[in-house]
Order: sequence, then structure tokens, then C-alpha cells
Amino acid sequence: QKEVEQNSGPLSVPEGAIASLNCTYSDRGSQSFFWYRQYSGKSPELIMSIYSNGDKEDGRFTAQLNKASQYVSLLIRDSQPSDSATYLCAVNYQLIWGAGTKLIIKP
Amino acid sequence: GAGVSQSPRYKVTKRGQDVALRCDPISGHVSLYWYRQALGQGPEFLTYFNYEAQQDKSGLPNDRFSAERPEGSISTLTIQRTEQRDSAMYRCASSLETESLGSNTQYFGPGTRLTVL
Repeated sequence: QKEVEQNSGPLSVPEGAIASLNCTYSDRGSQSFFWYRQYSGKSPELIMSIYSNGDKEDGRFTAQLNKASQYVSLLIRDSQPSDSATYLCAVNYQLIWGAGTKLIIKP
Repeated sequence: GAGVSQSPRYKVTKRGQDVALRCDPISGHVSLYWYRQALGQGPEFLTYFNYEAQQDKSGLPNDRFSAERPEGSISTLTIQRTEQRDSAMYRCASSLETESLGSNTQYFGPGTRLTVL
């Protein structure tokens, strides 16, 4: 069964530090990878998508993909309290989702 | 423009009743997805459409669940003979299309909270 695994957390990070979120997937043929943010009681919203091995940066966010090791990560630099949310990893046209990692940024 | 809308936002029903949940996608979006999300979990795929064609319904839990998108726009998810275990947040999302990289970002609606008593 195709799966996406994430540490459920919570991951607690001091304000201003780097938050690192990880996701592993089982389907080696996966082509597309997505990070969504979901605030409590709200719908998921896309942060970044990545399709090729390596790093992709967008503002304070960097997605990293390693297809050989079957993991994708999200780094958040200069973490802010407003980054506190659950971060969901999704794979393959977003039809396979992880359970999410709860991130808490402490002021 | 308007985002994805869903109605009703909240639905309380008695066990054994049928319910219909509606999703109105972003105008022009080819692909429409239905998910179910339990508290503290990621979205669970139910089914998706390209235009009016149902492409994959492998996530529908059983034959009490069905979905349609007859004109390639608005979609309805129907649950017949509801059971308490059907209680969840039902989310709809749409995207420009499914297969092309870069055009498959999904935009989610606010969800319908279904409670079966």
C-alpha cells in the first residue's frame, strides 16, 4: 500500500530558529510532492510543490527532495509564531497524504 | 475570483438518513476532488473527477458513498443510510488539471462538517 509518513509531533521550535519537517514515501515512482499548511479548524493551503531532486526556495521556505532516499523535507527559516500549524505532506497529484506534523513556534 | 465553496457548512442528520454534500469548484478548474478528514489526520482521498468523468473512486469506503459531477462543474457527494462512523469533515478541492506538473495545485473549500446522530 502506498504510504506517506510524517512525525506527528508536536515539534516545538523557538521563534527565529529553523524548523525542519520531514516526510517519507513508499512509492518509488512518485513524481510530485507538496507541502500544505493547515491551521486549526481551517482548510489546507499549499505552501510549496517540488518535482525534481534538490532544493527549492520560496521566501523563508525551502523544500528538499531526495528521490533516491524517498524523502522530502520542508525548512522554515526565521520561524514566526504565525507559522504554528499542522504541515501536511502530499505525494502524487496529492492523492496520498501524510497525517501531518504539528509545529509550535514558541515566542 | 471566488474560491471553492461547499454547502452546507454543517450537517447534522440521524442515522439511516441520506445526505448530499455539494461542492462548487473554482471556475475553469478541470479536476475536482473529494476527501474526508478526521480530527488530527491528513485528508483521506475518496474520489476525483476530470470534467464530468469520475477518474478514480477507489477511496469511497463502500457502496453507500457515491459522487457525481454531471456537467463538469458542481459536484455532489451522496451518502446513503448514514452511520455514526460517517461523521467527519468532508472536504472538496479543485485544480486546473491533474496530470500536468505545475497545474495540479489543489485549492480546498471550507469543508462540510457532517455529524450523524
